[in-house]
Amino acid sequence: AQTVTQSQPEMSVQEAETVTLSCTYDTSESDYYLFWYKQPPSRQMILVIRQEAYKQQNATENRFSVNFQKAAKSFSLKISDSQLGDAAMYFCAYRSRMNRDDKIIFGKGTRLHILP
Amino acid sequence: EAQVTQNPRYLITVTGKKLTVTCSQNMNHEYMSWYRQDPGLGLRQIYYSMNVEVTDKGDVPEGYKVSRKEKRNFPLILESPSPNQTSLYFCASSRQGSGYTFGSGTRLTVV
Repeated sequence: AQTVTQSQPEMSVQEAETVTLSCTYDTSESDYYLFWYKQPPSRQMILVIRQEAYKQQNATENRFSVNFQKAAKSFSLKISDSQLGDAAMYFCAYRSRMNRDDKIIFGKGTRLHILP
Repeated sequence: EAQVTQNPRYLITVTGKKLTVTCSQNMNHEYMSWYRQDPGLGLRQIYYSMNVEVTDKGDVPEGYKVSRKEKRNFPLILESPSPNQTSLYFCASSRQGSGYTFGSGTRLTVV
Protein backbone atom coordinates (compact mmCIF):
# COMPACT_ATOMS: atom_id res chain seq x y z
CA ALA A 1 0.00 0.00 0.00
CA GLN A 2 1.11 3.52 -0.70
CA THR A 3 2.17 5.82 2.11
CA VAL A 4 2.95 9.54 2.28
CA THR A 5 5.19 10.96 5.01
CA GLN A 6 5.65 14.57 5.97
CA SER A 7 8.36 14.56 8.59
CA GLN A 8 8.06 18.21 9.64
CA PRO A 9 4.91 18.80 11.72
CA GLU A 10 5.68 22.54 11.94
CA MET A 11 8.01 25.00 10.31
CA SER A 12 8.62 28.72 10.52
CA VAL A 13 10.11 31.09 8.00
CA GLN A 14 10.78 34.79 7.95
CA GLU A 15 8.66 36.82 5.57
CA ALA A 16 10.32 37.18 2.13
CA GLU A 17 12.59 34.19 2.78
CA THR A 18 12.48 30.80 1.06
CA VAL A 19 11.27 27.63 2.76
CA THR A 20 11.17 24.00 1.70
CA LEU A 21 8.61 21.50 2.95
CA SER A 22 9.52 17.84 2.74
CA CYS A 23 7.44 14.91 1.55
CA THR A 24 8.42 11.33 0.92
CA TYR A 25 6.21 8.57 -0.34
CA ASP A 26 6.32 4.88 -0.88
CA THR A 27 4.79 3.07 -3.83
CA SER A 28 5.47 0.16 -6.13
CA GLU A 29 3.71 1.89 -9.02
CA SER A 30 5.62 3.66 -11.76
CA ASP A 31 2.94 6.08 -12.87
CA TYR A 32 1.13 8.40 -10.49
CA TYR A 33 0.42 11.99 -9.55
CA LEU A 34 1.66 14.01 -6.63
CA PHE A 35 0.06 17.13 -5.22
CA TRP A 36 0.57 19.80 -2.64
CA TYR A 37 -2.50 21.29 -1.02
CA LYS A 38 -2.73 24.34 1.20
CA GLN A 39 -5.23 24.66 4.03
CA PRO A 40 -5.36 28.17 5.52
CA PRO A 41 -7.25 28.96 8.74
CA SER A 42 -10.44 29.22 6.68
CA ARG A 43 -9.98 25.38 6.36
CA GLN A 44 -10.58 25.47 2.61
CA MET A 45 -8.38 22.95 0.76
CA ILE A 46 -6.57 24.67 -2.10
CA LEU A 47 -4.54 22.88 -4.75
CA VAL A 48 -1.09 24.47 -4.91
CA ILE A 49 0.78 22.35 -7.41
CA ARG A 50 0.58 19.07 -9.32
CA GLN A 51 3.32 16.79 -10.64
CA GLU A 52 2.97 13.85 -13.01
CA ALA A 53 5.46 11.12 -12.22
CA TYR A 54 6.38 10.45 -15.84
CA LYS A 55 7.44 14.06 -16.32
CA GLN A 56 11.02 14.74 -15.32
CA GLN A 57 10.56 18.49 -15.30
CA ASN A 58 9.68 19.91 -11.90
CA ALA A 59 6.35 21.70 -11.73
CA THR A 60 6.24 25.40 -10.88
CA GLU A 61 3.39 27.77 -10.09
CA ASN A 62 4.55 31.33 -9.52
CA ARG A 63 6.40 31.35 -6.17
CA PHE A 64 5.77 27.63 -5.61
CA SER A 65 7.96 24.95 -7.10
CA VAL A 66 8.69 21.31 -6.39
CA ASN A 67 11.79 19.17 -6.32
CA PHE A 68 10.61 15.81 -7.58
CA GLN A 69 13.10 13.00 -7.12
CA LYS A 70 11.38 9.88 -8.42
CA ALA A 71 14.13 7.41 -7.56
CA ALA A 72 14.31 8.73 -4.03
CA LYS A 73 10.50 8.99 -3.82
CA SER A 74 10.79 12.54 -2.63
CA PHE A 75 8.52 15.47 -3.46
CA SER A 76 9.43 18.66 -1.65
CA LEU A 77 7.69 22.02 -2.00
CA LYS A 78 9.69 25.23 -2.18
CA ILE A 79 8.00 28.52 -1.42
CA SER A 80 9.99 31.55 -2.51
CA ASP A 81 9.54 35.09 -1.19
CA SER A 82 7.26 33.86 1.60
CA GLN A 83 4.24 36.03 2.31
CA LEU A 84 2.00 36.28 5.35
CA GLY A 85 -0.79 34.74 3.31
CA ASP A 86 1.27 31.57 2.88
CA ALA A 87 0.72 30.70 6.55
CA ALA A 88 -1.28 27.48 6.44
CA MET A 89 -1.24 23.74 6.80
CA TYR A 90 0.32 22.08 3.77
CA PHE A 91 -0.53 18.54 2.72
CA CYS A 92 1.31 16.34 0.30
CA ALA A 93 -0.85 13.80 -1.56
CA TYR A 94 -0.38 10.79 -3.81
CA ARG A 95 -2.82 9.66 -6.47
CA SER A 96 -2.39 6.54 -8.57
CA ARG A 97 -2.61 6.84 -12.33
CA MET A 98 -3.88 3.31 -12.59
CA ASN A 99 -7.59 3.05 -13.27
CA ARG A 100 -8.21 0.29 -10.78
CA ASP A 101 -9.25 2.65 -8.06
CA ASP A 102 -9.06 6.25 -6.95
CA LYS A 103 -7.52 5.98 -3.52
CA ILE A 104 -5.82 9.21 -2.61
CA ILE A 105 -3.24 9.18 0.17
CA PHE A 106 -2.50 12.34 2.14
CA GLY A 107 0.39 13.06 4.45
CA LYS A 108 -0.38 14.32 7.94
CA GLY A 109 0.57 17.85 7.07
CA THR A 110 3.12 20.52 7.88
CA ARG A 111 1.99 23.69 9.59
CA LEU A 112 3.86 26.66 8.16
CA HIS A 113 4.22 29.86 10.17
CA ILE A 114 5.34 33.08 8.51
CA LEU A 115 7.23 35.45 10.81
CA PRO A 116 6.82 39.15 10.00
CA GLU B 1 -18.48 29.49 -10.82
CA ALA B 2 -16.96 26.01 -10.79
CA GLN B 3 -17.38 24.62 -7.31
CA VAL B 4 -18.17 21.79 -4.97
CA THR B 5 -21.03 22.61 -2.63
CA GLN B 6 -21.54 20.68 0.56
CA ASN B 7 -24.15 21.25 3.23
CA PRO B 8 -24.48 21.86 6.03
CA ARG B 9 -21.31 23.71 7.08
CA TYR B 10 -21.89 22.91 10.73
CA LEU B 11 -23.95 20.18 12.33
CA ILE B 12 -24.44 19.05 15.90
CA THR B 13 -26.41 15.87 16.34
CA VAL B 14 -27.06 13.16 18.87
CA THR B 15 -25.80 9.61 18.84
CA GLY B 16 -27.89 7.33 16.66
CA LYS B 17 -29.81 9.98 14.73
CA LYS B 18 -29.42 9.37 11.02
CA LEU B 19 -28.00 12.26 9.02
CA THR B 20 -27.00 13.09 5.47
CA VAL B 21 -24.35 15.53 4.31
CA THR B 22 -25.03 16.62 0.76
CA CYS B 23 -22.39 17.24 -1.90
CA SER B 24 -22.89 18.62 -5.39
CA GLN B 25 -20.44 19.64 -8.12
CA ASN B 26 -21.09 21.65 -11.28
CA MET B 27 -17.96 20.72 -13.24
CA ASN B 28 -19.16 17.45 -14.77
CA HIS B 29 -16.39 15.59 -12.95
CA GLU B 30 -16.34 11.81 -13.09
CA TYR B 31 -14.59 11.33 -9.76
CA MET B 32 -15.95 12.27 -6.38
CA SER B 33 -14.69 11.47 -2.92
CA TRP B 34 -15.34 12.00 0.77
CA TYR B 35 -12.66 12.63 3.36
CA ARG B 36 -12.56 13.17 7.06
CA GLN B 37 -9.92 15.32 8.72
CA ASP B 38 -8.85 14.77 12.30
CA PRO B 39 -6.03 16.50 14.21
CA GLY B 40 -2.74 14.70 13.77
CA LEU B 41 -4.17 12.26 11.24
CA GLY B 42 -4.42 14.40 8.12
CA LEU B 43 -7.14 13.60 5.62
CA ARG B 44 -8.41 10.08 5.30
CA GLN B 45 -10.55 8.87 2.45
CA ILE B 46 -13.94 7.46 3.41
CA TYR B 47 -15.50 6.54 0.06
CA TYR B 48 -14.93 7.44 -3.54
CA SER B 49 -16.82 7.16 -6.80
CA MET B 50 -15.32 6.86 -10.26
CA ASN B 51 -18.63 7.32 -12.07
CA VAL B 52 -22.38 7.14 -11.70
CA GLU B 53 -23.48 4.03 -9.78
CA VAL B 54 -19.84 3.15 -9.06
CA THR B 55 -18.69 3.60 -5.48
CA ASP B 56 -15.92 2.02 -3.45
CA LYS B 57 -14.44 2.07 0.00
CA GLY B 58 -11.55 4.25 0.99
CA ASP B 59 -9.48 3.78 4.11
CA VAL B 60 -12.11 4.48 6.77
CA PRO B 61 -15.55 3.46 5.43
CA GLU B 62 -17.00 1.94 8.59
CA GLY B 63 -20.16 3.69 9.74
CA TYR B 64 -20.71 5.56 6.47
CA LYS B 65 -22.71 5.04 3.31
CA VAL B 66 -22.69 6.85 -0.01
CA SER B 67 -24.60 6.80 -3.25
CA ARG B 68 -23.97 8.15 -6.74
CA LYS B 69 -27.26 8.16 -8.60
CA GLU B 70 -26.38 11.26 -10.59
CA LYS B 71 -23.04 12.52 -11.77
CA ARG B 72 -23.22 15.77 -9.85
CA ASN B 73 -24.32 14.49 -6.42
CA PHE B 74 -22.52 12.33 -3.91
CA PRO B 75 -24.20 12.40 -0.48
CA LEU B 76 -22.60 10.99 2.65
CA ILE B 77 -24.94 9.14 4.97
CA LEU B 78 -24.35 8.32 8.62
CA GLU B 79 -27.05 5.79 9.53
CA SER B 80 -26.27 5.76 13.25
CA PRO B 81 -23.70 8.41 14.11
CA SER B 82 -21.39 7.89 17.06
CA PRO B 83 -19.11 10.34 18.90
CA ASN B 84 -16.01 8.92 17.14
CA GLN B 85 -17.45 10.29 13.90
CA THR B 86 -17.06 13.83 15.19
CA SER B 87 -14.79 15.33 12.58
CA LEU B 88 -14.34 17.78 9.73
CA TYR B 89 -15.65 16.30 6.49
CA PHE B 90 -14.74 17.26 2.96
CA CYS B 91 -16.33 16.34 -0.32
CA ALA B 92 -14.21 16.69 -3.45
CA SER B 93 -14.44 16.09 -7.19
CA SER B 94 -12.04 15.84 -10.10
CA ARG B 95 -11.39 14.66 -13.61
CA GLN B 96 -9.04 11.73 -13.99
CA GLY B 97 -5.49 12.77 -13.19
CA SER B 98 -6.27 16.30 -12.10
CA GLY B 99 -6.19 17.56 -8.57
CA TYR B 100 -9.34 17.37 -6.55
CA THR B 101 -11.51 20.45 -6.05
CA PHE B 102 -12.74 20.47 -2.46
CA GLY B 103 -15.91 21.72 -0.87
CA SER B 104 -15.79 24.09 2.08
CA GLY B 105 -16.10 21.35 4.67
CA THR B 106 -18.70 20.22 7.19
CA ARG B 107 -17.90 20.36 10.87
CA LEU B 108 -19.84 17.50 12.47
CA THR B 109 -20.20 17.04 16.20
CA VAL B 110 -21.92 13.93 17.55
CA VAL B 111 -22.86 14.12 21.23
